Parts: sequence; C-alpha cells; structure tokens
Amino acid sequence: LAKTTQPISMDSYEGQEVNITCSHNNIATNDYITWYQQFPSQGPRFIIQGYKTKVTNEVASLFIPADRKSSTLSLPRVSLSDTAVYYCLVGALGAGTALIFGKGTTLSVSS
Amino acid sequence: DGGITQSPKYLFRKEGQNVTLSCEQNLNHDAMYWYRQDPGQGLRLIYYSQIVNDFQKGDIAEGYSVSREKKESFPLTVTSAQKNPTAFYLCASSIGPDNSPLHFGNGTRLTVT
Repeated sequence: LAKTTQPISMDSYEGQEVNITCSHNNIATNDYITWYQQFPSQGPRFIIQGYKTKVTNEVASLFIPADRKSSTLSLPRVSLSDTAVYYCLVGALGAGTALIFGKGTTLSVSS
Repeated sequence: DGGITQSPKYLFRKEGQNVTLSCEQNLNHDAMYWYRQDPGQGLRLIYYSQIVNDFQKGDIAEGYSVSREKKESFPLTVTSAQKNPTAFYLCASSIGPDNSPLHFGNGTRLTVT
C-alpha cells in the first residue's frame, strides 16, 4: 500500500500559481494518483487523476515524473474560494488494498 | 442530478443507543464506502462494498455494521460498542473498485452525549 506524504499547510495570495507536491515512494505499477479538495463540513470533491506525465483539466494540472514517486498538483491563479484541504491518494480498492486518506494539505489563500 | 445523498446532516444520540446513517446513490455505481473524519484529521475507512450483498471491513470497523441489500443503498449503523462515535461520517461511491475516482456525499455529523 502506497503511503503518501504532503505538506501540512501552504499559504498563497490571490492570482498566484500554487503547487502542492505529494511523495509516494512505494507506488505500485497499477496505481493511479488522484487528488481531492475538501471544504469544511463537506465531502471531498474529485479534482484530477493521472498515471504518468502530465494531465490537465479545467481546474488543475497534475505533473508526474517518470519514476512516479511523487506528483505535483498545480492550481493556476488561485482565488479565495480555493482555500481548502487537498488530499493526494494513491492506489485503489481491490486485491485487499484500501484507500487511505492522509491529513492532506491545508491551503490558505489571502487577498 | 446524479449524486450521493446522506441523511440526516446532523444527528444527536444518547450514549448506549445504536444509530443508523443513511447513504443513497443514483449514479449506478457498484462500489460504496464509509469513512470517518475527526477534527483536523484525514479520512479513515470504516467499511466498503464492491458489489451488492458483499462488504469488507476497513481500518476501523469495530463498533460499526453495514448492509448492502440494494445497489443504491449502503446504510451504516453505529453501535453502542463504538467507544468514540462522535465524528463526521462520509459516504462515497465509485464506478468500480479499481482506480475509479470517489464521489462523496456531504456527510452526517453525529454527536453522542
């Protein structure tokens, strides 16, 4: 089971690009990397998922190096509404594994 | 709109009582999950189900029970054996168990006094 390590917190200002890195040294061959966003008193919301190289959607980009031992979530031009907890998840249920959420990264965006 | 509905949003119970949290999904997803979140903590997996009539224990199943009699429903019972039941409970579903993104409900906050 791939354990993940993320910074506990990050601070940014509106309009800046924010990069949150997640380390997952023992990622398995079949594992994908998935990022979620959670606001207080709400369920986490799926942001982006990738396996290798770069994935981009309308809200974020995900960069994964060739060795896949880390990944970086990039949020372009953050706003106050991006203040939330961001979780990096590696793996999936099946074959006896389980999805484990760490404590995530609390991003605080100021004006 | 398709999604996951958890009810109620807030629930209060006296110690020693069993309580059942509802989770319904209309996404036609096979897999469903229950997580528990304590203040300032990540999510911990209680139970999961990959298909109807089958479910597996997660990391913290003691004091909880589930059933999966219908594809769309996965109720969680918090029994009196659960030592610290006060928490935020989140239900999720996914298309299947392998690398499919999770879709979460908006949670039930349970307070036991």
